[in-house]
Amino acid sequence: SQKIEQNSEALNIQEGKTATLTCNYTNYSPAYLQWYRQDPGRGPVFLLLIRENEKEKRKERLKVTFDTTLKQSLFHITASQPADSATYLCALRSGYSTLTFGKGTMLLVSP
Amino acid sequence: NAGVTQTPKFRVLKTGQSMTLLCAQDMNHEYMYWYRQDPGMGLRLIHYSVGEGTTAKGEVPDGYNVSRLKKQNFLLGLESAAPSQTSVYFCASAKTRANTGELFFGEGSRLTVL
Repeated sequence: SQKIEQNSEALNIQEGKTATLTCNYTNYSPAYLQWYRQDPGRGPVFLLLIRENEKEKRKERLKVTFDTTLKQSLFHITASQPADSATYLCALRSGYSTLTFGKGTMLLVSP
Repeated sequence: NAGVTQTPKFRVLKTGQSMTLLCAQDMNHEYMYWYRQDPGMGLRLIHYSVGEGTTAKGEVPDGYNVSRLKKQNFLLGLESAAPSQTSVYFCASAKTRANTGELFFGEGSRLTVL
């Protein structure tokens, strides 16, 4: 069966460090992979989309890698700030027009 | 810039009651989705629509019905609510197929079934 795995344990880091979150998947052949941010009590907000032929994508302090051989995406936030504290979700194509989400990893950045 | 608006934001129902959640988007998007989010389960797709007048089942459709009579609105109905439907419901819309472009989410509707 198809699975998307994100670390269920919260990631605690200090301000200024780089946060790295992992998304592993099985039994998918996604052409695209997306990352979203969700704050408590709010809806998810889109951050980045990476295509299977793109190894890496950057947006400001965010960097996403996509390794279709390892079936893994890494999401990096450099120079992290307390305002980056949130839950981060990865999402993969699960049908012609549908998206399946991982359960998310909570990131806590302490001052 | 309203984006995706969900009503109501909070609702408490008794078992067996019915209700409808309304999702409205003002971005002229073709695709619309209803997800539910439960602790430890993540977001799960209930139903979706690829255009006005169309609906399709997602991962967890049982106990729910949907309608997309107008392009901007996507309604989620619970005919006979059950405690297992206690959840936070999110509506989302997309200009293109969800997996090729971003989803825009509403703020959620928190439903409690007693």
